[in-house]
Amino acid sequence: DVKVTQSSRYLVKRTGEKVFLECVQDMDHENMFWYRQDPGLGLRLIYFSYDVKMKEKGDIPEGYSVSREKKERFSLILESASTNQTSMYLCASRSPRGYEQYFGPGTRLTVT
Amino acid sequence: AQSVAQPEDQVNVAEGNPLTVKCTYSVSGNPYLFWYVQYPNRGLQFLLKYITGDNLVKGSYGFEAEFNKSQTSFHLKKPSALVSDSALYFCAVREGGYSTLTFGKGTMLLVSP
Repeated sequence: DVKVTQSSRYLVKRTGEKVFLECVQDMDHENMFWYRQDPGLGLRLIYFSYDVKMKEKGDIPEGYSVSREKKERFSLILESASTNQTSMYLCASRSPRGYEQYFGPGTRLTVT
Repeated sequence: AQSVAQPEDQVNVAEGNPLTVKCTYSVSGNPYLFWYVQYPNRGLQFLLKYITGDNLVKGSYGFEAEFNKSQTSFHLKKPSALVSDSALYFCAVREGGYSTLTFGKGTMLLVSP
């Protein structure tokens, strides 16, 4: 089975802090994705990556950046956290030859 | 552009009754369609997908979905609901040639004993 892990389940940060969210997958998938989930808005794509050092903006990239130095790891970075970035963050991966995405357990981030 | 709509924020059903969670989509090409389920404070779990072939797709936990091209719908169904089916359900669409999924806003399913 595909396993996608995220570094923290719950995280509390202060406004202005730099925040790193880590995601690791163990299935050698080239494609990885970061979403945020908010009530009534569903999942919205922040960034995705086709391969190592490759990244593409999703629908809501403002205030975020990403890093993909190794195939199995995809990091989401909040350069200066703000209260409107309080949300559930979900990471996913997919094989280019596959169809469905596999999700991690999520990180619930609170920015105070 | 691809889009998906889940017209119901919440669906209530009694245990043992059939359930339907609705989804409609919009793509310019051939759609790939997916259903995911999310239990409280968890990530999304894949339930089933339609890529091509038979319009009735069977998935995990006794769920199935019917692809209807003329109505651009992909409704999730189960013949007999369980209390443990209570969760948040997401429909998603991907157009052939694209890598990204577009998700609906989700439908909360509540199954009462």
